Amino acid sequence: GNSVTQMEGPVTLSEEAFLTINCTYTATGYPSLFWYVQYPGEGLQLLLKATKADDKGSNKGFEATYRKETTSFHLEKGSVQVSDSAVYFCALSDQTGANNLFFGTGTRLTVIP
Amino acid sequence: EAGVTQFPSHSVIEKGQTVTLRCDPISGHDNLYWYRRVMGKEIKFLLHFVKESKQDESGMPNNRFLAERTGGTYSTLKVQPAELEDSGVYFCASSQDRAGGRREKLFFGSGTQLSVL
Repeated sequence: GNSVTQMEGPVTLSEEAFLTINCTYTATGYPSLFWYVQYPGEGLQLLLKATKADDKGSNKGFEATYRKETTSFHLEKGSVQVSDSAVYFCALSDQTGANNLFFGTGTRLTVIP
Repeated sequence: EAGVTQFPSHSVIEKGQTVTLRCDPISGHDNLYWYRRVMGKEIKFLLHFVKESKQDESGMPNNRFLAERTGGTYSTLKVQPAELEDSGVYFCASSQDRAGGRREKLFFGSGTQLSVL
């Protein structure tokens, strides 16, 4: 079956620190991989995605590379800001093209000045 | 353009009571999804409507949950009677269909925080 395992939080970093949030997945076939972000008081927003092996998704300084050999999609940012404080969810959708997503447990990031 | 809106944002009820959550998708989006996040765990799929029809309800936990989408516009999710383990955040999402059968990205609402005491 499909599942996503995500780094446990919470994560607290100082501004300008380097961020990594680990995500590994189990899926049949070739899933698409996503990172969603939920800022306080808001809905989930798509942060970035990758649809095939070795693709790199990027947005707002965040990056994640689809690694089929390690079944991973780790989220990274070189220099976090206070405004990046949010809950981050790794997710996958299977190859059927449907939008039924399988999410990880979420990682809460707090960035302090 | 308005996004996906959910009402209420918070609901606190006692065990055994009934609660109805509402979701208004983005206008024109035929696909509507319900997800929930229980006790800080992963967000799990509940069901998927295409217009007014249930396309997939494999994630509905039990028959205490009833989802409807009359007229293919807004949707309601009723929990009756509510149990303690139903507490969590209920998210709604919508998307359009793209030519060729693939769907565009999901747009999520901000969720309803349900607390069952």
